[in-house]
Amino acid sequence: GAGVSQSPRYKVAKRGQDVALRCDPISGHVSLFWYQQALGQGPEFLTYFQNEAQLDKSGLPSDRFFAERPEGSVSTLKIQRTQQEDSAVYLCASSAIRGISTDTQYFGPGTRLTVL
Amino acid sequence: DQQVKQNSPSLSVQEGRISILNCDYTNSMFDYFLWYKKYPAEGPTFLISISSIKDKNEDGRFTVFLNKSAKHLSLHIVPSQPGDSAVYFCAARVQGGSEKLVFGKGTKLTVNP
Repeated sequence: GAGVSQSPRYKVAKRGQDVALRCDPISGHVSLFWYQQALGQGPEFLTYFQNEAQLDKSGLPSDRFFAERPEGSVSTLKIQRTQQEDSAVYLCASSAIRGISTDTQYFGPGTRLTVL
Repeated sequence: DQQVKQNSPSLSVQEGRISILNCDYTNSMFDYFLWYKKYPAEGPTFLISISSIKDKNEDGRFTVFLNKSAKHLSLHIVPSQPGDSAVYFCAARVQGGSEKLVFGKGTKLTVNP
């Protein structure tokens, strides 16, 4: 009965470093989403998986951002050569999509990334 | 351009009174709307939702109203409690598209004892 978990909760990176953020969705949830939330803003969509298939990556801000979900469960968001503007909270959400568009998305606590 | 707008960054209400949080949207293709509540250092928590075919949905102290012609929705909390103090986000989903949510910037609600 655990919710969505994310690790690490906090990450400090030096500019130019690569980072990897992990998301463990609710067990059995088919769909997984990544959002970016800058300070004082609402979450903004990055990418969406249904099982292992990445169906929408239109929100990824640049080719430095890459997400994967190889076995249809855990997902990793990787940011290469981090920049200061990447500083934000990265939220993961999952939902039990069964072709029903009104399934609720449940969010994890987020990873706060600070790039120095 | 902001497709979902929450024009009030903050709202302060007395305990026991009604809290009304407003949200406007511009995309007529949105067919499902949600409200999330967020406490500091936590992820957003789902509160209540409404389909575009309805104009009202109620769940306990929380009621969401949708006015499609005005492209406006509101969340009513009655009676407000100090534990309701949080940031409230309005979100919307596009009909037939990806399942992604489009969020407003949020309204910080403070309920004073």
